[in-house]
Amino acid sequence: ILNVEQSPQSLHVQEGDSTNFTCSFPSSNFYALHWYRWETAKSPEALFVMTLNGDEKKKGRISATLNTKEGYSYLYIKGSQPEDSATYLCAFESYNTDKLIFGTGTRLQVFP
Amino acid sequence: EAGVVQSPRYKIIEKKQPVAFWCNPISGHNTLYWYRQNLGQGPELLIRYENEEAVDDSQLPKDRFSAERLKGVDSTLKIQPAELGDSAVYLCASRRRNTEAFFGQGTRLTVV
Repeated sequence: ILNVEQSPQSLHVQEGDSTNFTCSFPSSNFYALHWYRWETAKSPEALFVMTLNGDEKKKGRISATLNTKEGYSYLYIKGSQPEDSATYLCAFESYNTDKLIFGTGTRLQVFP
Repeated sequence: EAGVVQSPRYKIIEKKQPVAFWCNPISGHNTLYWYRQNLGQGPELLIRYENEEAVDDSQLPKDRFSAERLKGVDSTLKIQPAELGDSAVYLCASRRRNTEAFFGQGTRLTVV
């Protein structure tokens, strides 16, 4: 059974604070690591799909890094805003399958 | 481009009743997933289709759950009979190989 773990489970921050979450995944048979944002009453939406060890991706104030050798990825949010409040999910994709295995998510709440 | 469409959005049924969920994926996406998300947990894969073929249904409780994907396009997921523990959000997602997944808004099922 493949385990994908995320921490922390939940996070409450003030507007303007920067924050980061962790996703750990199996280091063997790696193909890709996905990050999704799931806002309440909406569909989960892709943020990044990362495939290369050492890769860094950025979208506005959100960025992510990837370490496939040790099996972890960090998601950073710089200067959190209330609209960043959501559950952030990572998903591990193993080589030669289309299977996506999700972590339990990190629920972020940003207070004004 | 239209997104993944799921219906219904909400469903409340009594235990032992049947229920069905419908998903229309994005045109051209050959991979379709059904996930179940329980409160406080990450999405758990129930079944994955490649076109009309179910390639991974190892976590589908086959005694009460069934699914089909007609002509490799729309899909339905059925529960018969429903149990209290089936209350969850049921998510459908689709993707092309090696890209991000696109999700529907989910069906929130409450079994009473």
